[in-house]
Amino acid sequence: NAGVTQTPKFRILKIGQSMTLQCTQDMNHNYMYWYRQDPGMGLKLIYYSVGAGITDKGEVPNGYNVSRSTTEDFPLRLELAAPSQTSVYFCASSGQGRDSPLHFGNGTRLTVT
Amino acid sequence: LAKTTQPISMDSYEGQEVNITCSHNNIATNDYITWYQQFPSQGPRFIIQGYKTKVTNEVASLFIPADRKSSTLSLPRVSLSDTAVYYCLVGRGGGGGNKLTFGTGTQLKVEL
Repeated sequence: NAGVTQTPKFRILKIGQSMTLQCTQDMNHNYMYWYRQDPGMGLKLIYYSVGAGITDKGEVPNGYNVSRSTTEDFPLRLELAAPSQTSVYFCASSGQGRDSPLHFGNGTRLTVT
Repeated sequence: LAKTTQPISMDSYEGQEVNITCSHNNIATNDYITWYQQFPSQGPRFIIQGYKTKVTNEVASLFIPADRKSSTLSLPRVSLSDTAVYYCLVGRGGGGGNKLTFGTGTQLKVEL
């Protein structure tokens, strides 16, 4: 199993541009999450999903959108990139059980200039 | 949501035992306590998880008192490669639509 795969690894955007960060998992996990991590800081939850077609906001959802059309994929959309969105973005998934830990991808490093 | 509090940083030397304590006063009955390790430029990695009492695996031990309002991650005989940020996460994986939010983490630095 590849686990959680994120693409791209790196991206530079100009202010106002849009992009989609891709996340896919091959563990048949229902639960998927998007986090951002600013330099030297902890992880903040952006959005999460409990299954295909169901998403909900986390701590810092403004400026982002998500969709979950399949169990495997959970893309994160930035519509109008701003410098404040410069960060490393991590996608994670977890299984059904109460004791299911999070499995993380290796992140996408995004710079908005 | 269970908020967690950990020390910002800790220093140790190779071969010593390191104990990192996390406070989570408003832990819910169904919440599990999970610790993750994160190296620079990588996503966090699962280390150990527990619900109550003590759990041990090949890399760490987790001590949870009866009231479950805190937990202690114990790393025996640390090495330079254990230098990382350690996060305590309290919540329910999987069901319940739980917003799994991380605290600030503990930066562990291991020296020779």
